[in-house]
Amino acid sequence: SQKIEQNSEALNIQEGKTATLTCNYTNYSPAYLQWYRQDPGRGPVFLLLIRENEKEKRKERLKVTFDTTLKQSLFHITASQPADSATYLCALPDSSASKIIFGSGTRLSIRP
Amino acid sequence: GAGVSQSPSNKVTEKGKDVELRCDPISGHTALYWYRQRLGQGLEFLIYFQGNSAPDKSGLPSDRFSAERTGESVSTLTIQRTQQEDSAVYLCASSLTRGGSTDTQYFGPGTRLTVL
Repeated sequence: SQKIEQNSEALNIQEGKTATLTCNYTNYSPAYLQWYRQDPGRGPVFLLLIRENEKEKRKERLKVTFDTTLKQSLFHITASQPADSATYLCALPDSSASKIIFGSGTRLSIRP
Repeated sequence: GAGVSQSPSNKVTEKGKDVELRCDPISGHTALYWYRQRLGQGLEFLIYFQGNSAPDKSGLPSDRFSAERTGESVSTLTIQRTQQEDSAVYLCASSLTRGGSTDTQYFGPGTRLTVL
């Protein structure tokens, strides 16, 4: 079955720097991949979707890449701010495309 | 418009009691998901409803867990004979349909369940 691997270690970044989070998957390449943000005590919020035929997607200070050869997606936040501190989850459809499965998330902390 | 709502927001119960958690999806969303999230952990898929199709119950951890959905509206997750290990936040999400960009999930605020 598909497995999603996100760095379980928290990522601490200085404000203003670029934060880069990694999502690796182990089996088939999904048709698309999503990134969500989750703040403490709240449900995840959708940020970006990238399709398998797209190498890169941008939204304001966010950039997502999708490398089907490496079976990896990278999530970048440029000019990071303390308000970007949260847990970031990647998600993709399972092998039957019947449901979305989530990684365990990476906690990002931006220090002033 | 209104987002996904869940009730109650917090539930404290004694071990062995049954609990019922409710989810109101976004109107018009045909797909509905339940997840469990233990403290500091990721999302654990429980069950998925899509329109009138048979639900995908592959994530339910035991037969003490069950869920129902009436048409394309409200869903109820029931946990019978609760155990302390059931303590977690239960999240509900809905999406417009299955497949493609419309699979974006919109999450409710969750129900925090504490089993004493």
